[in-house]
Amino acid sequence: DIQMTQSPSSLSASEGDRVTMTCRASERISSYLNWYQQNPGKAPKLLIYAASGLQSGVPSRFSGSGSGTDFTLTISSLQPEDIGTYYCQQSHSIPYTFGPGTKLEIK
Amino acid sequence: EVQLVESGGGLVQPGGSLRLSCAASGFTFSTYWMTWVRQAPGKGLEWVANLKQDGSEERYVDSVKGRFTISRDNANNSLYLQMNSLRAEDTAVYYCVREWYWNARYDYYYMDVWGKGTTVTVSS
Repeated sequence: DIQMTQSPSSLSASEGDRVTMTCRASERISSYLNWYQQNPGKAPKLLIYAASGLQSGVPSRFSGSGSGTDFTLTISSLQPEDIGTYYCQQSHSIPYTFGPGTKLEIK
Repeated sequence: EVQLVESGGGLVQPGGSLRLSCAASGFTFSTYWMTWVRQAPGKGLEWVANLKQDGSEERYVDSVKGRFTISRDNANNSLYLQMNSLRAEDTAVYYCVREWYWNARYDYYYMDVWGKGTTVTVSS
């Protein structure tokens, strides 16, 4: 199985800050990498597909990059509604696997 | 409105069985792979199983193989998860999820619609 790791495990930033988090796959997965946001008490929501595709309806302050084994999710200007946990997920091979998440808080 | 609504969760004893259902609406159910993802209390997300549009191909995470069965009824826009021989470690919120893909030389799959989840608790 492909193992996904994420860093940092938690992150605290101020409103308006630029925030970056990373995801690493245990083997090369091309661009088969998706990002999800889970607000507290809610179901996950798709943000980014295929490493850099912005899902319809997702604010443009979210962006994704990377290929191979290393990927990044960036929020250009942090908003209060962005608090929650962010998960990466590989769809290169079965079983699909998720990273352990990065928990984002507002200072 | 595109919607997935899970039901069937509850408290069950170890070794027992439970069948989860997912009612889909607002889209052509029969054209999508469908998936179950679970989340244990305070933990991360775990992909459990998925099923091809016509039900001809099903795939599972190793920890549930031989115990869980995913199925669908396209005529009634419904997805199911039959869970047998349940264990304490199966305790989780179970999400019904739609898969779609972006085609760019290859098919890049992602999970674009999620239900609110149904809670399964395995305990004596």
